[in-house]
Amino acid sequence: DMKVTQMPRYLIKRMGENVLLECGQDMSHETMYWYRQDPGLGLQLIYISYDVDSNSEGDIPKGYRVSRKKREHFSLILDSAKTNQTSVYFCASRPGQGPGQLYFGEGSKLTVL
Amino acid sequence: AEKVIQVWSTASRQEGEELTLDCSYETSQVLYHLFWYKHLLSGEMVFLIRQTSSSTAKERSGRYSVVFQKSLKSISLIISALQPDDSGKYFCALWEPIWQISEGYITGNTGKLIFGLGTTLQVQP
Repeated sequence: DMKVTQMPRYLIKRMGENVLLECGQDMSHETMYWYRQDPGLGLQLIYISYDVDSNSEGDIPKGYRVSRKKREHFSLILDSAKTNQTSVYFCASRPGQGPGQLYFGEGSKLTVL
Repeated sequence: AEKVIQVWSTASRQEGEELTLDCSYETSQVLYHLFWYKHLLSGEMVFLIRQTSSSTAKERSGRYSVVFQKSLKSISLIISALQPDDSGKYFCALWEPIWQISEGYITGNTGKLIFGLGTTLQVQP
């Protein structure tokens, strides 16, 4: 079954705490993404990963880092979370090269108090 | 710069009606690709339909179809026979290519989706 799985789905953290959002896909897709969605801002790209240990900053990478040690797994890390990082985070993946559909996870809603 | 504009933030219709969601875009690409996604209330983001700029075919997928006006840089999503389950947030997106270059050579071609702000649809039974 083609699926992108995000964990956890809901998370509440205090300002300054570390956050780990995890994403897995069972399709052996090379490319994976982390987006965040905020009201009035649409979806914004945080990081893109082309394959294992091949990551690149997206449009809003500040305050985030990523890790991809296995093709099927892509993590988003917030070191010392801030209140303005409260958002819904989406992971996505896609196969091969060129333009095409992204397969999204169900989102992880992070609240930073 | 690539940009996607969805003017209407909300829409409301009755069950059985038809709805047109408008989207306009700015792009410097000669050949480009547009997508419509739906964000379900469950959280899932679902791909609906894709339009390639070089295609003159009227793209359809079930009750979804698009009206693509290339000269106006406009793409509208039409949803026919609306059902309450059609409620959700609809996003228009434009594909922007990302070229991976190493030592002066192109080593890969991937890309990202640039999204509009979305339109939240409520379908009343």
